Amino acid sequence: QSALTQPPSASGSPGQSVTISCTGTSSDVGGYNYVSWYQQHPGKAPKLMIYDVSKRPSGVPDRFSGSKSGNTASLTVSGLQAEDEADYYCCSYAGSNHWVFGGGTKLTVL
Amino acid sequence: EVQMVESGGGLVQPGGSLRLSCAASGFTFSSYWMSWVRQAPGKGLEWVAGMNQDGREKYYVDSVKGRFTISRDNAKYSLYLQMNSLRVEDTAVYYCATSSGWSFGYWGQGTLVTVSS
Repeated sequence: QSALTQPPSASGSPGQSVTISCTGTSSDVGGYNYVSWYQQHPGKAPKLMIYDVSKRPSGVPDRFSGSKSGNTASLTVSGLQAEDEADYYCCSYAGSNHWVFGGGTKLTVL
Repeated sequence: EVQMVESGGGLVQPGGSLRLSCAASGFTFSSYWMSWVRQAPGKGLEWVAGMNQDGREKYYVDSVKGRFTISRDNAKYSLYLQMNSLRVEDTAVYYCATSSGWSFGYWGQGTLVTVSS
C-alpha cells in the first residue's frame, strides 16, 4: 500500500486561505468517503481535524473544511492564523481494515 | 478526560524485541477499535496495526506482519504491541490511537523506539 501524495509545503499570510491536496487511488481515497486530516505541532501528538471527508469534530474551528473529488481529497484552512502553522496529514481507509497516510504537508503562516 | 499513555520504548539492537503498552482512561476502552501508528524521525505517519473491540480481529501493515503482535486487555484498559525481529527501519515514535468510525480520534503522546547497534 503506497502512501498518499501530499505537497511537502504550503503557505499563506494571516487571514488568507490555503488548500492542501491529498492524492490517492481508487483503492483508497477514491473508493471510500473515509478521508481524515490531522494537525501535528512539533513534538506533539497528531490531532484529528476532519473526518469522513468533510466532518469536523467538536471543538475544531469552522475555518477548517474538507472535500473530495475522485481520487483527490483537500483540506482548506480559511482565515489563516499563526497557530495554524503545523504539519498536516491526510489519511484514508484502504479496505480490509487497513489505513494509509499521506506524507504530510508543512503549513507555514507567513 | 480521555488520556492514553504509552510506555515501553527504548534502545534495542537489530533482531531484538520490545513490548509497548498503552494505558487508557477517560472513556469506555472496550467500546473502541484501537490502533498503533508510528512516525519515523522527521517522517510522516504510518498505520501499523489495528484491533477490534473484543480482540478477535487483528490487522497489520505488510511490513510488520509476522513480526509484530497487537493485543489488548479490556479489564486493564490497556493496549499492547509486541515487536520481535526489530529492524533499523522500525525506529519511530509509536502512538496508540482510538479508532472512532474510520478515523483516529484520540492519540497518546507516543513512545520512542530506537533500533540500532
